[in-house]
Parts: sequence; structure tokens; C-alpha cells
Amino acid sequence: KQEVTQIPAALSVPEGENLVLNCSFTDSAIYNLQWFRQDPGKGLTSLLLIQSSQREQTSGRLNASLDKSSGRSTLYIAASQPGDSATYLCAVRRSNYQLIWGAGTKLIIKP
Amino acid sequence: EAGVTQFPSHSVIEKGQTVTLRCDPISGHDNLYWYRRVMGKEIKFLLHFVKESKQDESGMPNNRFLAERTGGTYSTLKVQPAELEDSGVYFCASSHAGPLAGGNEQFFGPGTRLTVL
Repeated sequence: KQEVTQIPAALSVPEGENLVLNCSFTDSAIYNLQWFRQDPGKGLTSLLLIQSSQREQTSGRLNASLDKSSGRSTLYIAASQPGDSATYLCAVRRSNYQLIWGAGTKLIIKP
Repeated sequence: EAGVTQFPSHSVIEKGQTVTLRCDPISGHDNLYWYRRVMGKEIKFLLHFVKESKQDESGMPNNRFLAERTGGTYSTLKVQPAELEDSGVYFCASSHAGPLAGGNEQFFGPGTRLTVL
């Protein structure tokens, strides 16, 4: 059974710092991994999708890496801003189409 | 291009009543998914449509939940009768490529927050 864990559950850092969010999964047989952000009371915004054959994806200040063999993904946020404050979720897709979700990391960027 | 839309954004009902949630996927997306997040838990898969057919409804909690996708366009999720434990946020998502394609990104709607009193 696939399980997805996100550490830490919450993180508070000063503006401008670079930071890393972690996601681990128990079964390496995944098709892809997606990172999302959720703002309070809002929906889920897809940030990055990494296919199983890829090692990383970049979008602006965001960089996501994937190490299938160790069951890990990281989301790196460079030069954090207060607008980055949100809950970040990772989800893995296996051979079917179901996304298996982590509980999320609540990120607060202090001005 | 419009994203995934859901209606209503919030619904408050009494236990035993019926509620119907609606999802309009991104135009042209054959795949449509329902997920939900109950308080304090991770988001969980409910079911998956390919066009108008239910591909997988293994995540549906019980027979009080009924999902339909008439004509392969919008989808509805009906809860009848609603129970307290049904409270949560129901998300709909859609994707373009076939279900076995490795890269088909799922795009999510804003969710419907259901509160059962």
C-alpha cells in the first residue's frame, strides 16, 4: 500500500530564505509525482509534475526533484516571499490514475 | 481557457438531507476525478470517469454516494442521505491524456465545502 509522508508538517522562515520541503513515498513504482499549493479556503494549484523518468523540474523559483529509488521528492523554493505562504502538498500517481496524497506542509514566510 | 469549476462552493445541510455537487471539467478533458478531504485527514480518491464511463469507483465510501457524468461533460456527485461524517471538502479534477499516460497532469477545481449538521 502506497503511503506518502511530508515533513515538516509546518515551517516558518523569514522572507528571502531558500527552503526545502520534503515528500517521501513507500512504493517506488510510481508514474509521476505532483506538487500542489493550497491557499486557505482555496482550491489546489498544480505547481510541478515530475514524470517517473525525470529527475527534476523547474518553474521560476521552484525546483522539484525526484529520487524514485529512495522514495523521495523535494520542493526547493528560492528567495522565499510572503506570497509563498500556503500549504504545499505532494501526490504520487501509481499505475492507475489515483493520486495518493501527503498531509501537506504548512509554510509561513515572515516579512 | 476556463479551469475546472465546481458548484456550489459551500453547502450546509442537515443530516439525512440530500446534496448534489457539480463539477465542470476543462473542455476537452476526457478524464474526470473526484477526491475529498475530511477534517484532519489526507485527500482521498473517490472515483474516476473516462468520458461518461466510471473507470474506477473503488474510493467511494458507501452506496449513499452516487456519481454521474452525463454525456461525458459535467459530473455530479450526490450524497443521499447525508451523514455527519460526510462533511469535508470535495474536489474535482480533470486531465487530458489517457489514464496510463505518465504525464497527464490533473487540474483541480476550487472544491465544495460540505458541512452536515
